[in-house]
Amino acid sequence: DIQMTQSPSSLSASVGARVTIYCRASQGIGIWLAWYHQRPGKAPRLLITSASVLQSGVPSRFIGSGSGTAFTLTISSLQPEDSGTYFCQHTSTFPYTFGQGTKLEI
Amino acid sequence: QVQLQESGPGLVKPSQALSLTCTVSGSSISNTDYYWNWIRQVPGKGLEWIGYIHHSGSTYYNPSLKSRVSMSSDTSKNTFSLKLNSLTVADTAVYFCGRGNKIAPGWIDPWGQGTLVTVSS
Repeated sequence: DIQMTQSPSSLSASVGARVTIYCRASQGIGIWLAWYHQRPGKAPRLLITSASVLQSGVPSRFIGSGSGTAFTLTISSLQPEDSGTYFCQHTSTFPYTFGQGTKLEI
Repeated sequence: QVQLQESGPGLVKPSQALSLTCTVSGSSISNTDYYWNWIRQVPGKGLEWIGYIHHSGSTYYNPSLKSRVSMSSDTSKNTFSLKLNSLTVADTAVYFCGRGNKIAPGWIDPWGQGTLVTVSS
């Protein structure tokens, strides 16, 4: 299985700050990467696919980049509603796997 | 608006089987553009993709669960289901259903709200 490793595991930042979350794949996955945001007690929400394609309705402050084994999710100007846990996921080969999550506190 | 809703028992005894159903509204499970997924999350932990089913009948299961899992669908009710056999306490988790697409069956959007399944005697 391809292992997805996120860093940091948690971070705290202020409203308006810029933060970056990292996701590394144990082998190359091209751009078969998605990012999700999950608030406590809620289902994850799909933010980005193909490593950098913003889903409809997702604010433009979310920026995804990377290819191969190294990926980033940057939030350019944090808002209070951005708190929660962020997960990366690969869909390059079976089985699909997720990163362990990055908990973001605003 | 596409909505998915999981249903099933909240408590199951060890060694028993779990059956969950996902009811879909706003989208037809017969639409060949979509794949219908199950994912689970141990409370406070990460996400594990269980597998998917497609209208064509094709399925793919995570090898970690393959010997115990099966999926089916009912087009007349617009539902799809998960069955997981031989449960242990390690199967205690929130189970989500979700829709994937033909470009990437595992990109889940939207998700159901999730249902907590506790395995305990």
